[in-house]
Amino acid sequence: DAKTTQPPSMDCAEGRAANLPCNHSTISGNEYVYWYRQIHSQGPQYIIHGLKNNETNEMASLIITEDRKSSTLILPHATLRDTAVYYCIVRVAGRDDKIIFGKGTRLHILP
Amino acid sequence: DAGVIQSPRHEVTEMGQEVTLRCKPISGHDYLFWYRQTMMRGLELLIYFNNNVPIDDSGMPEDRFSAKMPNASFSTLKIQPSEPRDSAVYFCASSLVTGGHEQFFGPGTRLTVL
Repeated sequence: DAKTTQPPSMDCAEGRAANLPCNHSTISGNEYVYWYRQIHSQGPQYIIHGLKNNETNEMASLIITEDRKSSTLILPHATLRDTAVYYCIVRVAGRDDKIIFGKGTRLHILP
Repeated sequence: DAGVIQSPRHEVTEMGQEVTLRCKPISGHDYLFWYRQTMMRGLELLIYFNNNVPIDDSGMPEDRFSAKMPNASFSTLKIQPSEPRDSAVYFCASSLVTGGHEQFFGPGTRLTVL
């Protein structure tokens, strides 16, 4: 898997948009960008994934740069329940079955 | 669906004892994964199965660890003999080969070896 780089921690005010960056400068053409999060004491939870187009679902939006070397996960209106560790992962969907979790970004939502 | 089910949720045992962790994947999923999480090492993949067959066990720390998947709805992770350094949270996850291939995680088993 290509390696990813994320800031170790970030703060965001409740109600504001949380923008979590991820660098993946060595990503291959067939590798997707996945985001998972882990709320304290729970198992990781899938959020979103994308290849090159921007994606949006009920949880978040994923913005991938045109050169695909970086991406941003956006939580549009952060709540206290979004406090978690967020993992950015790159992998080939459907073939490379393993997920290698890095250290992620610890997001603190401030009241 | 109830999601991935793991048992027990908490296990406290003494060094040298055998420990068996259990997992029931989501019905219809064809991949099953075992992870271990500690403060020091983060979330590590131990082994995963496809259609009940072990595909990659390179993450299994040593021979004391073994995993089986006798059928599509059940898997076990066994540690024999257990050691204090095995204390961790063990997660099981399952996924479908089609679609986005996202993994669905269970609630984990917190293992403490005294």
